Amino acid sequence: GEDVEQSLFLSVREGDSSVINCTYTDSSSTYLYWYKQEPGAGLQLLTYIFSNMDMKQDQRLTVLLNKKDKHLSLRIADTQTGDSAIYFCAESIDSSYKLIFGSGTRLLVRP
Amino acid sequence: KAGVTQTPRYLIKTRGQQVTLSCSPISGHRSVSWYQQTPGQGLQFLFEYFSETQRNKGNFPGRFSGRQFSNSRSEMNVSTLELGDSALYLCASSPGTGPSPLHFGNGTRLTVT
Repeated sequence: GEDVEQSLFLSVREGDSSVINCTYTDSSSTYLYWYKQEPGAGLQLLTYIFSNMDMKQDQRLTVLLNKKDKHLSLRIADTQTGDSAIYFCAESIDSSYKLIFGSGTRLLVRP
Repeated sequence: KAGVTQTPRYLIKTRGQQVTLSCSPISGHRSVSWYQQTPGQGLQFLFEYFSETQRNKGNFPGRFSGRQFSNSRSEMNVSTLELGDSALYLCASSPGTGPSPLHFGNGTRLTVT
């Protein structure tokens, strides 16, 4: 079945790198996404990766995809206090617009 | 380009009533999807519309329905509200043809008392 799992909480010091991990189960996933949600707000698309790619870099963000292990990670370089939020991993199934979301990882950045 | 706009931002309704939420997609986007976010169940897919037709549907009861207009704006309706329908309802838009990312609005916070 379709399932996406993430760790619930991550705490890092300002200036350090953060790595948020995600595992998924559906091998027919075509896109994998990272969204950010701040309190009282909707979901902000951070980045996404095709399932046939291994890595994607976008400024401070690096996404790594291990398709064999069905493992996705998001690395945030030079983490800032403004990065404190909940980060959601999501997969799309069979090129559809139905996304399966993980439960979210709460990132706390300590000054 | 304006983002996805959802109205209203907040709603308070009583059990048994019905509610209609509205979503205006990004200009040029023809696909609109709806999601429900609750602390217990997380983010769950409700349905997706493209060119006024429902293309995909999640596992929600028939009390949850939607529609899309010719200008791609979408509405979702929940009838006979229950306490458990209290949630953040998020709308997302996408061009709708070929693989493309979903862009979300800020949501409508529905409280059922």
